[in-house]
Amino acid sequence: SQELEQSPQSLIVQEGKNLTINCTSSKTLYGLYWYKQKYGEGLIFLMMLQKGGEEKSHEKITAKLDEKKQQSSLHITASQPSHAGIYLCGADKGTGNQFYFGTGTSLTVIP
Amino acid sequence: ETGVTQSPTHLIKTRGQQVTLRCSSQSGHNTVSWYQQALGQGPQFIFQYYREEENGRGNFPPRFSGLQFPNYSSELNVNALELDDSALYLCASSGGQGARNEQFFGPGTRLTVL
Repeated sequence: SQELEQSPQSLIVQEGKNLTINCTSSKTLYGLYWYKQKYGEGLIFLMMLQKGGEEKSHEKITAKLDEKKQQSSLHITASQPSHAGIYLCGADKGTGNQFYFGTGTSLTVIP
Repeated sequence: ETGVTQSPTHLIKTRGQQVTLRCSSQSGHNTVSWYQQALGQGPQFIFQYYREEENGRGNFPPRFSGLQFPNYSSELNVNALELDDSALYLCASSGGQGARNEQFFGPGTRLTVL
């Protein structure tokens, strides 16, 4: 079973609309990472959250980690076609050196 | 500063063959991790190398093996290829041991097994 669940699986929005992607873990997260992937390409690092309640923003993208460190949300304000792609949350297991990803959310922005 | 590069970009093999994929780390990074990403799925952690030693492994069979060289570049070798090995293989480099350092990903190698 997936340790990181993302929702929704896919999202189609009109340009200019706001949207939110969620990432939920059954275990406490030691570090939560958000990446963006263009179809069939490598991953681009967006943000890392470590502390409960932490919130970070970059341009029109804001990510939050809840107080219990088991859920994160990624919010895009006034979406643009350049935001289209697959958004992946990732986390490390806290012990050892393994890193795991959610299943991803595919975002399409219609001009 | 040179980013992470991977070669080849695309590869087609048949079942039972062996394949070697290559990754060049970002300058100054001593840790490389490899991931397998099947179509429509998130990347799955294969293993990590730190200073030429395997430093963590995911749930992959021994026919997936790797190497890291003194210049921190890396290879992923897969023996006895199976159809399910068809995927995008990603490598990521980071500055230190462990998974918490920010990882920089290469563009990936698309492997097709026929």
